[in-house]
Amino acid sequence: GENVEQHPSTLSVQEGDSAVIKCTYSDSASNYFPWYKQELGKRPQLIIDIRSNVGEKKDQRIAVTLNKTAKHFSLHITETQPEDSAVYFCAASIVADMRFGAGTRLTVKP
Amino acid sequence: GAVVSQHPSWVICKSGTSVKIECRSLDFQATTMFWYRQFPKQSLMLMATSNEGSKATYEQGVEKDKFLINHASLTLSTLTVTSAHPEDSSFYICSAQTGRMYQPQHFGDGTRLSIL
Repeated sequence: GENVEQHPSTLSVQEGDSAVIKCTYSDSASNYFPWYKQELGKRPQLIIDIRSNVGEKKDQRIAVTLNKTAKHFSLHITETQPEDSAVYFCAASIVADMRFGAGTRLTVKP
Repeated sequence: GAVVSQHPSWVICKSGTSVKIECRSLDFQATTMFWYRQFPKQSLMLMATSNEGSKATYEQGVEKDKFLINHASLTLSTLTVTSAHPEDSSFYICSAQTGRMYQPQHFGDGTRLSIL
């Protein structure tokens, strides 16, 4: 089955700096890669996603890149703000079979 | 759009009690629903996947007789924790998906279960 690894497990940045979270997946058939943000005690919320036929996608300060050959994808957050502090999960899926990474706890220091 | 409602949000009960948690997709039809368990500061651990009208598929190590899942309609799935014990205390989250390709899972707010 699919295995998703996520790094780093914790990340601390200064406000205004960029943050990068990386994930690798094992199943080359995976074709959809969402990223979720989970604030303490709340539900995971979708922040951006990318399909396997796209190499990069951007939404304001957030971007995701995908390298299918290497089977890795990354989340980039620019100009970080304190409200970006949360746990971020990557996922890889084939239709309904979605597997999550272990999560990255991002702390943005003001 | 894509709202998932989960109830109750918090349950405290005595050991041996059975607890039912409901997960509803409010504005879309959820062909597939998922139940996760999340320990403090840890990732989402998939417990089971349920498709409307069929038996749930449980992940390895999850007791199907302990965690009963029913997906009776395209908008409702329930998780019943039978004869709950303190070790079952956790944060349980459901999610729902249309079942089509390139679709995310939409999560409920979670249920914090505390067994005394």
